[in-house]
Amino acid sequence: ETGVTQTPRHLVMGMTNKKSLKCEQHLGHNAMYWYKQSAKKPLELMFVYNFKEQTENNSVPSRFSPECPNSSHLFLHLHTLQPEDSALYLCASSQGTGTGGNIQYFGAGTRLSVL
Amino acid sequence: GQNIDQPTEMTATEGAIVQINCTYQTSGFNGLFWYQQHAGEAPTFLSYNVLDGLEEKGRFSSFLSRSKGYSYLLLKELQMKDSASYLCAVMDSNYQLIWGAGTKLIIKP
Repeated sequence: ETGVTQTPRHLVMGMTNKKSLKCEQHLGHNAMYWYKQSAKKPLELMFVYNFKEQTENNSVPSRFSPECPNSSHLFLHLHTLQPEDSALYLCASSQGTGTGGNIQYFGAGTRLSVL
Repeated sequence: GQNIDQPTEMTATEGAIVQINCTYQTSGFNGLFWYQQHAGEAPTFLSYNVLDGLEEKGRFSSFLSRSKGYSYLLLKELQMKDSASYLCAVMDSNYQLIWGAGTKLIIKP
């Protein structure tokens, strides 16, 4: 148990569906992250929130829409995805951003398949 | 561009020692992290190095040479449960983590 919980663990959706991924952290952290993990590729940072404010958007397509209502919860809203979006989506949290040694704690991820 | 290189896969024997190397080229350096990720599970933090030298933590040790852009993770007395992927990541000048693709470690009895 890492203190970061993601739901659902698995998701299959069609290209015309709309779905949301949820992440919740119980660590009292102020920063939360979304990453995409594809097989044999490095983790790709998608979004960063610090104190509920988005501080990073790494040129992510608009079919991915993040939402951070408070420092403990993070959502990723999905719509009109493409098959190449199939991947493991990881959520992480950390005490803050902008400092060295800032350890990120990860959830187990949502395995997304787009048909 | 920024780049982290680590071997794709390694195989070792239970009870032995294995060294997983990581080389990096990044814009700035604010530390290097190692994470372990079992299949279907969350990456979990193993170690953080910001100064040159060896950091030992039980059976696991991590080494850093900033001048060479090089780190390694050393695993001793290997156990079957050490079969996992090991991810190397460098924190750059913007305090963002740049990740390697991970090394899948297979432990054989």
